[in-house]
Amino acid sequence: AQKITQTQPGMFVQEKEAVTLDCTYDTSDPSYGLFWYKQPSSGEMIFLIYQGSYDQQNATEGRYSLNFQKARKSANLVISASQLGDSAMYFCAMSPSGNTPLVFGKGTRLSVIA
Amino acid sequence: SAVISQKPSRDICQRGTSLTIQCQVDSQVTMMFWYRQQPGQSLTLIATANQGSEATYESGFVIDKFPISRPNLTFSTLTVSNMSPEDSSIYLCSVASAETQYFGPGTRLLVL
Repeated sequence: AQKITQTQPGMFVQEKEAVTLDCTYDTSDPSYGLFWYKQPSSGEMIFLIYQGSYDQQNATEGRYSLNFQKARKSANLVISASQLGDSAMYFCAMSPSGNTPLVFGKGTRLSVIA
Repeated sequence: SAVISQKPSRDICQRGTSLTIQCQVDSQVTMMFWYRQQPGQSLTLIATANQGSEATYESGFVIDKFPISRPNLTFSTLTVSNMSPEDSSIYLCSVASAETQYFGPGTRLLVL
């Protein structure tokens, strides 16, 4: 069985600063994918970034980067230069392949302060 | 990426009634997934809908309560039957596309 743990229920960050959201996972699958989603108050789930377990380099998408440490089973999301619009819930998720459903963590609520 | 639409975006319903949620994708996809997000909680998988076969339900979800249709590769519906206030949630459909999974905008349901 797969499990995602997000230990930070809430985080605050000053505008323009960088912030790291923690995510650890547990799985017995030899290959898997790790995902981060942003959920603003509207409720939609916005895909941010994906990391495959066999990818050699950490994934980056604009201001988002994924700090993937396979031996530690961690997949932390780093948001650089935080903006007020980054205030939202952030969910870490994983699946063994693209065609299987996601298992989600409990989420971290990020608040960006001006 | 895949563009997904859901209808309705939100609804307020009386207990004991049923609501059908539609999910439309702009491309053909094999697998569609339905999730529920109860207030203040994370997402929980309800079922996986494969075109041409019966949906596969997760533990705690049954077909009589959450019947799903998947008539073609771009469309699916989820019905929430005989609703109670505990069914008040956001219901989201998602699809897998190129190693990524994309979500529809969600249906926010309130049952009184």
